[in-house]
Amino acid sequence: ETGVTQTPRHLVMGMTNKKSLKCEQHLGHNAMYWYKQSAKKPLELMFVYNFKEQTENNSVPSRFSPECPNSSHLFLHLHTLQPEDSALYLCASSPRQGRGTSGNTIYFGEGSWLTVV
Amino acid sequence: GENVEQHPSTLSVQEGDSAVIKCTYSDSASNYFPWYKQELGKRPQLIIDIRSNVGEKKDQRIAVTLNKTAKHFSLHITETQPEDSAVYFCAASILSGGYNKLIFGAGTRLAVHP
Repeated sequence: ETGVTQTPRHLVMGMTNKKSLKCEQHLGHNAMYWYKQSAKKPLELMFVYNFKEQTENNSVPSRFSPECPNSSHLFLHLHTLQPEDSALYLCASSPRQGRGTSGNTIYFGEGSWLTVV
Repeated sequence: GENVEQHPSTLSVQEGDSAVIKCTYSDSASNYFPWYKQELGKRPQLIIDIRSNVGEKKDQRIAVTLNKTAKHFSLHITETQPEDSAVYFCAASILSGGYNKLIFGAGTRLAVHP
């Protein structure tokens, strides 16, 4: 248990569905991240939020819509996805640099396996 | 932006042998280099990291070396055990502000045979 919890762990959705992935961290971290992991590509950074503000969007298609209502919660809203979007979506968090020896270390959740049919 | 290359993509060793995984990065401003281990069906877990003001770091059977001039860093695992079998990812980032924009290598699948 890392303190980063993701739900659901598995999700199957049709291309016309709308669903959301949820992430919650209990570590008091300020930054939260979404990464995509698929068989054919390395871990791809999608979005970064720092104190609820989006600081990075790595050219992610608009069918993926992140939301960060506070520093402890992060959502990824999904709509009109494509089969190639099937992947493991990993949420992560990190504390602010300088806070002890673990400053900026990224801690991952267990991931949400997404299958688009 | 940063680009991280990782080699080899697969590595097979006998139990007790050493394993070495190498990475190169492109952005000379990068100053933080972690290594993550991911077992099948599980999340990536940090096993060791190194910052650019240090050339080498060791933690029991695991060591990481950094050559800033060549923009290379490597993971060394000695006395490998079957439980070391996993996918290993290197990463690089520039530590600044309140967050850590890690860019990952493609991963190395390590198999340790008894």
